[in-house]
Amino acid sequence: AQTVTQSQPEMSVQEAETVTLSCTYDTSESDYYLFWYKQPPSRQMILVIRQEAYKQQNATENRFSVNFQKAAKSFSLKISDSQLGDAAMYFCAREGGGGADGLTFGKGTHLIIQP
Amino acid sequence: NAGVTQTPKFRVLKTGQSMTLLCAQDMNHEYMYWYRQDPGMGLRLIHYSVGEGTTAKGEVPDGYNVSRLKKQNFLLGLESAAPSQTSVYFCASTNPTRGGLDEQYFGPGTRLTVT
Repeated sequence: AQTVTQSQPEMSVQEAETVTLSCTYDTSESDYYLFWYKQPPSRQMILVIRQEAYKQQNATENRFSVNFQKAAKSFSLKISDSQLGDAAMYFCAREGGGGADGLTFGKGTHLIIQP
Repeated sequence: NAGVTQTPKFRVLKTGQSMTLLCAQDMNHEYMYWYRQDPGMGLRLIHYSVGEGTTAKGEVPDGYNVSRLKKQNFLLGLESAAPSQTSVYFCASTNPTRGGLDEQYFGPGTRLTVT
């Protein structure tokens, strides 16, 4: 089975600081999508950022950016100027090139923001 | 737009009982998915559908059945509930794009407990 690995079960960061969450994945596809989802205590899954594998440029969304290393199959999420509202579970996910068979998720990283 | 809605939000079943979870989306999406989330795990794909009248198995399909009689609805059935099916269930929908998937939109989840 193709897997997504998040090696940090929990991370803690001071408010206003920067934190990086790690993700590695396995795939035999050359064209695919990668995602970071946020899940706050409400349980709602919220898309944070998306990266298309054929694009070399790293995706950015305001304070959120990724470091996408295709050859290394690495997809880390950097959160700058951390805010209390960023506290949540963060899941890395991969979609296969065929598209139809859904997302494969990592086990998640619990992000704690220290005031 | 309500987005993706799930009914019910909570349910307690006794072992051997049956039930159906309803997912509805108003975004005219072609693809729909059912995932389950267990403690300490990411979401895992149960079944999915790429269009009205079509369904396919995901990673963990055993003990579940699905139907997509209308494009906007995707039903997940448990014929004989088991304690191992205690979980939070998420429905999601999306449309295919060039080379992959657009963002998956998730419902709020259904917490199911089987005693």
